[in-house]
Amino acid sequence: QQQVKQSPQSLIVQKGGISIINCAYENTAFDYFPWYQQFPGKGPALLIAIRPDVSEKKEGRFTISFNKSAKQFSLHIMDSQPGDSATYFCAASAGYAARQLTFGSGTQLTVLP
Amino acid sequence: SAVISQKPSRDICQRGTSLTIQCQVDSQVTMMFWYRQQPGQSLTLIATANQGSEATYESGFVIDKFPISRPNLTFSTLTVSNMSPEDSSIYLCSVNDNYGYTFGSGTRLTVV
Repeated sequence: QQQVKQSPQSLIVQKGGISIINCAYENTAFDYFPWYQQFPGKGPALLIAIRPDVSEKKEGRFTISFNKSAKQFSLHIMDSQPGDSATYFCAASAGYAARQLTFGSGTQLTVLP
Repeated sequence: SAVISQKPSRDICQRGTSLTIQCQVDSQVTMMFWYRQQPGQSLTLIATANQGSEATYESGFVIDKFPISRPNLTFSTLTVSNMSPEDSSIYLCSVNDNYGYTFGSGTRLTVV
């Protein structure tokens, strides 16, 4: 059973535009929501993460928006750059340190120059 | 964050053989996780390895196929046994430190 649904599967954005990737979860026990960026041939790298006690977290050009009642969270990449072209995964875990991550299906982002 | 060294980075193996993947962490961690990422797909947890106890396997993964060792708090191995072409994937180890979950660069396995 897929517990974290991610969309879109692929996304093409012009340089300088805003990239938005959405995730929805089912398990109300989830309390840690990270986003990972993966380049070809590399392991996923933590980009930004949020806990459900806040509705938004911003780090540089990357922002997570979190809607607890809707069980949804999204990643916004402002001023998208060609170097942002990668696969992005949302994930969730319950109990943070003691539990493994459940991943979304991934979004292949292409930022055109 | 923790630094993970994973070996080998890639390998091409004959069907029916076994491959052992090593994961070395630069700090002591309680739990290590092994994931599989099939081509173009997301990550699926294979098992969780605690030092000093048997690994816990997720549904669809069994110890006979994916035996795991965890001899100390900085090292683990995953063996892919009796390989078939369906085992061709990227295998990743992961740890949880104070900065979140960190992943190794992965082992790209091709079974021919």
